[in-house]
Amino acid sequence: DTGVSQNPRHKITKRGQNVTFRCDPISEHNRLYWYRQTLGQGPEFLTYFQNEAQLEKSRLLSDRFSAERPKGSFSTLEIQRTEQGDSAMYLCASSLLGDVQHFGDGTRLSIL
Amino acid sequence: AQSVSQHNHHVILSEAASLELGCNYSYGGTVNLFWYVQYPGQHLQLLLKYFSGDPLVKGIKGFEAEFIKSKFSFNLRKPSVQWSDTAEYFCAVNAGGTSYGKLTFGQGTILTVHP
Repeated sequence: DTGVSQNPRHKITKRGQNVTFRCDPISEHNRLYWYRQTLGQGPEFLTYFQNEAQLEKSRLLSDRFSAERPKGSFSTLEIQRTEQGDSAMYLCASSLLGDVQHFGDGTRLSIL
Repeated sequence: AQSVSQHNHHVILSEAASLELGCNYSYGGTVNLFWYVQYPGQHLQLLLKYFSGDPLVKGIKGFEAEFIKSKFSFNLRKPSVQWSDTAEYFCAVNAGGTSYGKLTFGQGTILTVHP
């Protein structure tokens, strides 16, 4: 399968801990997006990269959240000092410039 | 800021019934419009898209959508649904042009089709 790959699929952690998710986009896709989805809602945009440059960040992305795409390939999303409200599905998508976004299966974060 | 509204949270139909899911967006400029589908246990998949040209767009699995600019709408239709169409459907929009970025999604419509 050469689609967008996200790891882990499910992360359970205690409140206050740090977590990191990884996204491997479709190869040759220069754009990579992160979204967050809570129950009963559509995905909400968090941030996106073009190659290694982070081009836009949502106001949803507090200073506890940081995303990187160091070599323009895979990306990581880190949440520091997790809170109950961070529980959600975190989705990654990738695309070529000017083309549709292809989504991964997501990482479900559960905060105990 | 862009926003998308989907009219129905949950739609229940019998097989062979016709389907129309409403979607309205709020954005003053040129837009690209999308319908994504999420089957149970699977990732979001593109159903169809509108960039420009013919406002009636045909997608996969017999789905189509009509862009009505004056109504800021992009409703999804299918003349005869199947049990396999049971899924959650999301309407999405982003700013038009050749270098668009983030998608703004509606809250989703769960479609349940009874055999």
